[in-house]
Amino acid sequence: QSVLTQAPSVSGTPGQRVTISCSGSSSNIGSNYVHWYQQLPGTAPKLLIYRNNQRPSGVPDRFSGSKSGTSASLAISGLRSEDEADYYCASWDDSLSVVFGGGTKLTVL
Amino acid sequence: EVQLVESGGGLVKPGGSLRLSCAASGFTFSPYSMNWVRQAPGKGLEWVSSMSSGSSYIYHADSVKGRFTISRDNAKNSLYLQMNSLRAEDTAVYYCARSIAADTHPYEFDYWGQGTLVTVSS
Repeated sequence: QSVLTQAPSVSGTPGQRVTISCSGSSSNIGSNYVHWYQQLPGTAPKLLIYRNNQRPSGVPDRFSGSKSGTSASLAISGLRSEDEADYYCASWDDSLSVVFGGGTKLTVL
Repeated sequence: EVQLVESGGGLVKPGGSLRLSCAASGFTFSPYSMNWVRQAPGKGLEWVSSMSSGSSYIYHADSVKGRFTISRDNAKNSLYLQMNSLRAEDTAVYYCARSIAADTHPYEFDYWGQGTLVTVSS
């Protein structure tokens, strides 16, 4: 059971906007940054959004992050087939650990 | 180009030991915090250990505390994970990841290696 809660799966059609949610608590998301990672099939994870809403160089602006209270969201607009991947949220927890969400599998129909 | 290359994985019997290495290149290794994250087959990501640049902090997940030890050699641009008393549930791909760090804990993991597979089985 992961400390951060994510829906196991989400789907959308090309061009659509989808959101992936991540729920935590006051000891993690509520008081620390949230980061998002994308893991394409058979590859290592890649940083997608850091410190709640910042995009690393090279990440398209179709990807955006937000945080409110003890929850965070990743939005993907203009959905493309190559966005099909697993998405993980992560945060520092004040119990002295990094915590990940269980991951959300995005399917592009 | 930042590169992180893990090695040392393999098949080990329950109760056995293994030492993973992560060779870093393409950046100045010493100022960065470094981390290990694992992924069991078909499962999600699980944080294992983090270590600051000057060893001011070292953290291990409860699931590995007392069995695994993270260390680094800044002169060799390398990160290590000594794994003892291995269990079947430690079977996973182990990733090395670089992070920016606050004074007391890592922030985002901005670069990841390709991982090395550890299989614990009799």
